[in-house]
Amino acid sequence: SQTIHQWPATLVQPVGSPLSLECTVEGTSNPNLYWYRQAAGRGLQLLFYSVGIGQISSEVPQNLSASRPQDRQFILSSKKLLLSDSGFYLCALNRYTDTQYFGPGTRLTVL
Amino acid sequence: GIQVEQSPPDLILQEGANSTLRCNFSDSVNNLQWFHQNPWGQLINLFYIPSGTKQNGRLSATTVATERYSLLYISSSQTTDSGVYFCAVERKTGGYQKVTFGIGTKLQVIP
Repeated sequence: SQTIHQWPATLVQPVGSPLSLECTVEGTSNPNLYWYRQAAGRGLQLLFYSVGIGQISSEVPQNLSASRPQDRQFILSSKKLLLSDSGFYLCALNRYTDTQYFGPGTRLTVL
Repeated sequence: GIQVEQSPPDLILQEGANSTLRCNFSDSVNNLQWFHQNPWGQLINLFYIPSGTKQNGRLSATTVATERYSLLYISSSQTTDSGVYFCAVERKTGGYQKVTFGIGTKLQVIP
């Protein structure tokens, strides 16, 4: 069965600093990968999705970017963090019509 | 885009009570999932249910796709059922399954 790893688990960053969150997947190949953000413990907002290496689509305009350098690696980045970037970031995967599986998440606080 | 509405937004139950959570969606979907997010943030898939009824222990779910709603039943609730329950619908868009979440129902089960 597939496993999703995310790190770090928690992160505190100052405004204006860069960001790199990593998601890696085991136990499956060629998955669809997703980055979600959850603010204030409710409501998941889809940020990015990827159907393959180097293929990234963005759902909302924002201060963030994503990359998929390898089939099982998905990275969320920012050059300069904003206060509004605080939240709980979740990586998820599915394959075709399979159910969606979520990683443990990264809790980001921007001060 | 598709709208997903969940009700009630908050629910407090006495341990042992039963409850029904509702999810309405605004357009036809390929699939529907129910998730439970525990207090530590981990999202766990409960049901993958595009139509019909499924049961898993004290939980069951029914989706009536033609009427665009799904129900999640929790019987004999336990304190470990506390958390946020999300409904998520999937539509195939451009070769991948786009997932849209509702804002969730926050459940607190008190002893």
